[in-house]
This record gives sequence, C-alpha cells and structure tokens, in this order.
Amino acid sequence: AQSVAQPEDQVNVAEGNPLTVKCTYSVSGNPYLFWYVQYPNRGLQFLLKYITGDNLVKGSYGFEAEFNKSQTSFHLKKPSALVSDSALYFCAVRDDTGGFKTIFGAGTRLFVKA
Amino acid sequence: DTGVSQDPRHKITKRGQNVTFRCDPISEHNRLYWYRQTLGQGPEFLTYFQNEAQLEKSRLLSDRFSAERPKGSFSTLEIQRTEQGDSAMYLCASSRQSNQETQYFGPGTRLLVL
Repeated sequence: AQSVAQPEDQVNVAEGNPLTVKCTYSVSGNPYLFWYVQYPNRGLQFLLKYITGDNLVKGSYGFEAEFNKSQTSFHLKKPSALVSDSALYFCAVRDDTGGFKTIFGAGTRLFVKA
Repeated sequence: DTGVSQDPRHKITKRGQNVTFRCDPISEHNRLYWYRQTLGQGPEFLTYFQNEAQLEKSRLLSDRFSAERPKGSFSTLEIQRTEQGDSAMYLCASSRQSNQETQYFGPGTRLLVL
C-alpha cells in the first residue's frame, strides 16, 4: 500500500536561511513524487515533481527536491527562505503500477520569520 | 481565468439534506479527480475520471456519495443524507492524459453540516 510521511508538523526558519521540509514514502512500484503548496484561502499549487532521471528536481519559486531511492525520501529544499514562503506544504506519491490514486501527506506548516 | 473552478465555494446544510458540488476542469484536461480534505490533514483521494468513465473509487466513498462526469467535461459530486462527519473541504483537480501528469487543483468547496 502507498503511504507518505511528513514527520514535522511545523518547520520554523529565519528569512535568508536554507530550509528543508522532509518527506518519506512507501510504494509498491516506482514512485512518482510531488510537492504542492497551499496558501490560506487558496487551492493547492504544484511546486515540482520527480518522475525519472536526475535525482535533483528544480521547481517553482526557487524550490528544489532531492529523490533518494535508498532512503525512500523526497525532501523539499530552498537555499534562502523568504517570509512569503510561509505556507502549508504537502508531499504526494503515486506509483507506476497503473492506478491513479495519489496519496498526500498530512502537510508541514512552514513559518519563515523576518 | 482558465484554471479549475468549483461551485459553490461554501455550503452550509442541515444533517440529512442532499448537496451537490460542481467542478469545471481545465478545458483540455481529460482526467478529473475528487478529494476530501479535513482540518490538519492532506487531501484524501475519493474518485477519478478519465473522460466520462469513472475508473477508480476510494473505499472512503460510501454509498451516500456519487460522482458523475456525463460528457467528459464538468463533474458533479453529490452527497445524500449528509452527516456531520461529511463536513470538510471538497477539492477537484484535473490533468492531461499522460502517465506523469501534474494535477491542477480548484479552490475547493467547503461543506459544513449542522
């Protein structure tokens, strides 16, 4: 069965510092991995995805994520946080065995302090 | 605006009443998904359509829930005999037909059952 774990409910970081939001997953086949961001009163917005290829994926707003197959992780990173990055971040996974069910993590709230 | 739209944005109903939500996907997207999101949780997959065919359905979708996409364009989600536990945000997403699709989410319909 597919599952996603986001071990931190909240991450606090100072503006200008690097940030990491953690995600680990479990799937039967090969994973398709996604990060979405949710701002207050707005829908989920796609940030980036890993399907195949380079383990380091670059996405919107300067975010990137690194796929690590041995650790079954897909951590979201940004070299220098902005106050405007404060939001709720969701990791999601789907496998390549033919189904279309996407499993989302419970979310991690990122708070960037000025 | 060519994004995913949902109507209504908010719905308050009394327990036992029926409610229906509508989702209009991005026009060239033939895949459509419904999710439910409760406070503090990530979106939970409910069902998936490819064109007008409902191809996958979660066990979360009890017999009080039904979804349709009659012409392969907009979709409706109906909840019959609503219960207080149905109170949640109902999200719709759409994507192109590709094995690596990115899902684009609508703003959601927030349901409150009194």
